[in-house]
Amino acid sequence: DAMVIQNPRYQVTQFGKPVTLSCSQTLNHNVMYWYQQKSSQAPKLLFHYYDKDFNNEADTPDNFQSRRPNTSFCFLDIRSPGLGDAAMYLCATSSPGQLYGYTFGSGTRLTVV
Amino acid sequence: EDQVTQSPEALRLQEGESSSLNCSYTVSGLRGLFWYRQDPGKGPEFLFTLYSAGEEKEKERLKATLTKKESFLHITAPKPEDSATYLCAVRVFSGGYNKLIFGAGTRLAVHP
Repeated sequence: DAMVIQNPRYQVTQFGKPVTLSCSQTLNHNVMYWYQQKSSQAPKLLFHYYDKDFNNEADTPDNFQSRRPNTSFCFLDIRSPGLGDAAMYLCATSSPGQLYGYTFGSGTRLTVV
Repeated sequence: EDQVTQSPEALRLQEGESSSLNCSYTVSGLRGLFWYRQDPGKGPEFLFTLYSAGEEKEKERLKATLTKKESFLHITAPKPEDSATYLCAVRVFSGGYNKLIFGAGTRLAVHP
């Protein structure tokens, strides 16, 4: 039944060691988003794709990149994770005219040691 | 700058004690206000969408209302299973596309 699936649920990485988080969807939505959510803070938009058209927010750090090889999959790459990158990373999807905003995955909790 | 502020940050209620959560917003061109519920360690789960001032939506013990500057989430006779963080988000058109801007949420704890 899961419609937006994020793997892994928990990820521990070493300081400076590249890490990739993945997201897949079965909804065939053409828009996919990556949000970063730190403890007790609002989710913060990092990137979004409208089909293959990529957009990043102006304040998204250069350390973060994203790939979307096809409609179903999207990846978040963190090239050199720092302690400040520890957070919950949320993937979401939507389609134009969708009335209920976005559909979120369960998130990946990233710990940097 | 588009901004969403939620209050209170945290709320503790006794079971059956009704209350309201507030979401105030400052945006240039609202294209919908959304309420989500988020349980610990999980992604946000959609509750309501509101589009115009005066609109109201209800679901079980929850009722959301919208004015031109704020939205309220009213919780009537809450139960412990209503304990969660409630997030408010506004959809705006910025930089050529729609995006959701979230508030930091209200952490609700309902005790038996």
